[in-house]
Formats: sequence, structure tokens, C-alpha cells
Amino acid sequence: KQEVTQIPAALSVPEGENLVLNCSFTDSAIYNLQWFRQDPGKGLTSLLLIQSSQREQTSGRLNASLDKSSGRSTLYIAASQPGDSATYLCAVKGNSGYALNFGKGTSLLVTP
Amino acid sequence: DADVTQTPRNRITKTGKRIMLECSQTKGHDRMYWYRQDPGLGLQLIYYSFDVKDINKGEISDGYSVSRQAQAKFSLSLESAIPNQTALYFCATSDSTSGANVLTFGAGSRLTVL
Repeated sequence: KQEVTQIPAALSVPEGENLVLNCSFTDSAIYNLQWFRQDPGKGLTSLLLIQSSQREQTSGRLNASLDKSSGRSTLYIAASQPGDSATYLCAVKGNSGYALNFGKGTSLLVTP
Repeated sequence: DADVTQTPRNRITKTGKRIMLECSQTKGHDRMYWYRQDPGLGLQLIYYSFDVKDINKGEISDGYSVSRQAQAKFSLSLESAIPNQTALYFCATSDSTSGANVLTFGAGSRLTVL
């Protein structure tokens, strides 16, 4: 069974810092990997999706990388802002099946 | 209006009661999913449906049932609720024709079973 781990579980940084969130997975036979943002009391919003053949995806201040062979993905957030405070979830879709395997998330707090 | 709407948003019930959580979508997506989120455990897939006539069990289907009433509607039922079903439940949709299988989530339904 695919296991997805996110480190750290929680992170607090001052505004303006660049930061990296980590996601690792045990089975490298993946179809794609997604990063989601979850705000308290709200659902999940898809931030970036990386196909297995891709190395990275960028959207604004966000950059996600994928190293399938080592079972790792990182989400880089540049020039963090208080509005970035949320829980960030990594999810992996395998080559077989349908389901996404989610990590437990990293809770990010960006202080003014 | 939200693309994926879940009702109710919050529900408190007692052990043994039957509960239905409803999900409707305006995305026109063919695939729909029910996930459960527990603190410290991440999201787990309960059931999924690839079209109206296709229903499949996920990782943790015991104690739950679903109904796909139409392409836009997918409901989750707890026939006899128990306290360890207290959780945040999410409905999600995706479009099989897009290839990427990007999920769109509803805002969640918080269920408390006393």
C-alpha cells in the first residue's frame, strides 16, 4: 500500500521567508502527484498537479518538484504571506486504481 | 454557488441513528468520491463512482453505503451511526476525460456521533 509522509507536521515562519514543504511516498509507480491547500472549515483546493513524466510545475509563488525515483516531492513557497497560512496536503495517484493516497498534511502559519 | 455542494455542513446525531450526507455538483464531472478526514490520519476514500451505474468500495467502506442518484448527485449513508464515525466528510468530483484526474472538493460535512 502506498504510504505518503509529509514533513514537517507543522511550520511557523515570519512573513517574507521562502519555505519548503516535503512529501515522500513509498511506491515510485505513480501516475501523478497533487498538492492541495486546506483552509479551516473549508474543503481542499488543488494547487499544483505534476504528472509522473514531469519534474516540476509552477504557479505564481508556488513551485512543486517531483523526483519519482527517490519518492519525493517538494512544494516551494516564495516570499510567504500571512494569507498562505493553511494546511498543505500532498496526494499521490498510483498507476493502477483510482484513489488518491493522501499525506497527513503540513500546517503552515505565516506570521506578520 | 459552489461547484460541489455538501449538505448538511454540520450534524450532531446519536449512536444508532441513520444519517445521510448529500453531495451535488455543477461541474458536469462523471466521477464522484466520498472521503473521510480524521485528525492525524489524513483523508481516506470511502466510496467512489465512475458513473451512475458504477459504484465501488474504497479503503474504509464498512458501515457506509452510497447512492448515485444522478450524474450530479452522490449521497453517503450511515445506516447506524457509531461514535468512531465522527469525522469530517468530503465529497469530490473529477472528469475522466481530462486525463489528469484533478479532484474538486466540496467544503465538507462535519459529523459528530454521540
